[in-house]
Amino acid sequence: DVKVTQSSRYLVKRTGEKVFLECVQDMDHENMFWYRQDPGLGLRLIYFSYDVKMKEKGDIPEGYSVSREKKERFSLILESASTNQTSMYLCASSIGSDTQYFGPGTRLTVL
Amino acid sequence: QKEVEQNSGPLSVPEGAIASLNCTYSDRVSQSFFWYRQYSGKSPELIMSIYSNGDKEDGRFTAQLNKASQYVSLLIRDSQPSDSATYLCAVNFGMDSSYKLIFGSGTRLLVRP
Repeated sequence: DVKVTQSSRYLVKRTGEKVFLECVQDMDHENMFWYRQDPGLGLRLIYFSYDVKMKEKGDIPEGYSVSREKKERFSLILESASTNQTSMYLCASSIGSDTQYFGPGTRLTVL
Repeated sequence: QKEVEQNSGPLSVPEGAIASLNCTYSDRVSQSFFWYRQYSGKSPELIMSIYSNGDKEDGRFTAQLNKASQYVSLLIRDSQPSDSATYLCAVNFGMDSSYKLIFGSGTRLLVRP
């Protein structure tokens, strides 16, 4: 059975803090994705990775970085959290251009 | 700019009716199409994928694809209150963005008991 897990369901951080969001998949998928979802704006792609140590910017990469040291793990890093990064963060994985499977999401609040 | 468009709704239907959700997309070379369901506060879950023109049925759900008209739809037969959710259409446009899906903003469906 497909499984994508994320490190936290809810997270509260302060402005300026460095924030790490982790995602792990157990399906041996090559591709992993980080999205944020905001009311009225839909799902927006932040970064994706198509192989270990490989990454590409999505539509809104500013203020974020990523790390993929192992195939099963993809981390999203907020270098200096700001209030406009308060959002729902969703991780997904896929093989090729096929279905993306989503984790449960992390609701991040930056105060 | 590749785009996927959906009516935000809400689409309100009575229990037992057919709900019809529509999605249009901007590029004719699009290769694969997906419908996801998202309950409030939860993550999207796949309902159906469709890759070629025509209809694809899975239980109460039917996806319909018309590439010439750049249109994909989802029909839900015998709608239940538990079907009340936001339905996201996603398109893989292929080419240089072969791994990526572009998501519509979703249609909220409300099934009235």
